[in-house]
Amino acid sequence: QQQVKQSPQSLIVQKGGISIINCAYENTAFDYFPWYQQFPGKGPALLIAIRPDVSEKKEGRFTISFNKSAKQFSLHIMDSQPGDSATYFCAASQSWGIGSGTSYGKLTFGQGTILTVHP
Amino acid sequence: DGGITQSPKYLFRKEGQNVTLSCEQNLNHDAMYWYRQDPGQGLRLIYYSQIVNDFQKGDIAEGYSVSREKKESFPLTVTSAQKNPTAFYLCASRSGRGSNEQYFGPGTRLTVT
Repeated sequence: QQQVKQSPQSLIVQKGGISIINCAYENTAFDYFPWYQQFPGKGPALLIAIRPDVSEKKEGRFTISFNKSAKQFSLHIMDSQPGDSATYFCAASQSWGIGSGTSYGKLTFGQGTILTVHP
Repeated sequence: DGGITQSPKYLFRKEGQNVTLSCEQNLNHDAMYWYRQDPGQGLRLIYYSQIVNDFQKGDIAEGYSVSREKKESFPLTVTSAQKNPTAFYLCASRSGRGSNEQYFGPGTRLTVT
């Protein structure tokens, strides 16, 4: 029940196109859903994150869409660029408590998607 | 220059030897984590520590050990009991103050032959 399933494993997009990566989860207690971007030989970098009280969050060319009833969330990269070529990971976790007393559970990661944007 | 540092970037060891990977952060973060990354398997949690002098096993702790004697340091020892130690190891930290944002170091690639 702790799994996060990510698809596709790999994705090839032309420059200027839209890249879409999907994730599905089972644990309805998850309440934090981040996306990480990782370049070869580097550590992952936090890209964008969403909580289940909103259905969409946009930061520049990156948008997370969240469907609570379907237990799915996705990353959309608009106007994809060759510099976006990287591995993308979704993740999920849950929290307990409120305010300064909040405790956070561990992040459960998807298997990753290798994105290649052709010029 | 704040951040998380991991050293060395590449590490080579002979089978049967213990090896310790370094992770240091100057972000004043409370929580620290160790992950292992293998091709096609995402990131798997080895150990984590929410506060100094306390740590918990993650999903794949067998064959690993950690210590958290200082807030800024969380070294990982890969012991000879780890059956498949060759991997990319990532350290991360989280502020622990109302945030679940984890920030990763650059990683250490360990090769055991």
